Amino acid sequence: AAGVIQSPRHLIKEKRETATLKCYPIPRHDTVYWYQQGPGQDPQFLISFYEKMQSDKGSIPDRFSAQQFSDYHSELNMSSLELGDSALYFCASSTTGGLDTQYFGPGTRLTVL
Amino acid sequence: DQQVKQNSPSLSVQEGRISILNCDYTNSMFDYFLWYKKYPAEGPTFLISISSIKDKNEDGRFTVFLNKSAKHLSLHIVPSQPGDSAVYFCAYPAGGTSYGKLTFGQGTILTVHP
Repeated sequence: AAGVIQSPRHLIKEKRETATLKCYPIPRHDTVYWYQQGPGQDPQFLISFYEKMQSDKGSIPDRFSAQQFSDYHSELNMSSLELGDSALYFCASSTTGGLDTQYFGPGTRLTVL
Repeated sequence: DQQVKQNSPSLSVQEGRISILNCDYTNSMFDYFLWYKKYPAEGPTFLISISSIKDKNEDGRFTVFLNKSAKHLSLHIVPSQPGDSAVYFCAYPAGGTSYGKLTFGQGTILTVHP
């Protein structure tokens, strides 16, 4: 069965650079969630989209923005990167506006040097 | 403020025995919980869920028990297999039923020895 696809899988950036992470949900899933997992921590919710509209927002820095496109894929844009942004970024998708289990992608490991 | 807590950072079990992973929550209004398993360098994988209208849900080797009065849930894995070695997270959805952003516990590292 098709799963959530995230790209790139690994990304290395310098401080103050920008990064774009992409997420392709499972076909027919209309809701996308973004989570950040720091070293030794549990995943923390950042932001979610349903039918291309932001549906919820968590502890996402103002330096970060995200959107969901007409094909339901989503992109997380991160600017003015800081060392503390180094983390695993997971995307999850679900159906029916989220009225279903969330299925996670493999994650993007971002390293900021 | 951690609203779901997994107080055991790690658990070591012999193959074939039972693994019991625990999770406590603070808000008695929470009425739906999920367990996810996570291998290194992979995303969390959904295992099993439970609604507060039940006190038990079973799926193969995995059973989740919910004790609402104690605000406690546990995941039982029987029999444990080496491939079960992973980090296990309990989580609840903000939507209160099955939807919405997930809040995770700190995770428990399960190691199953052959």
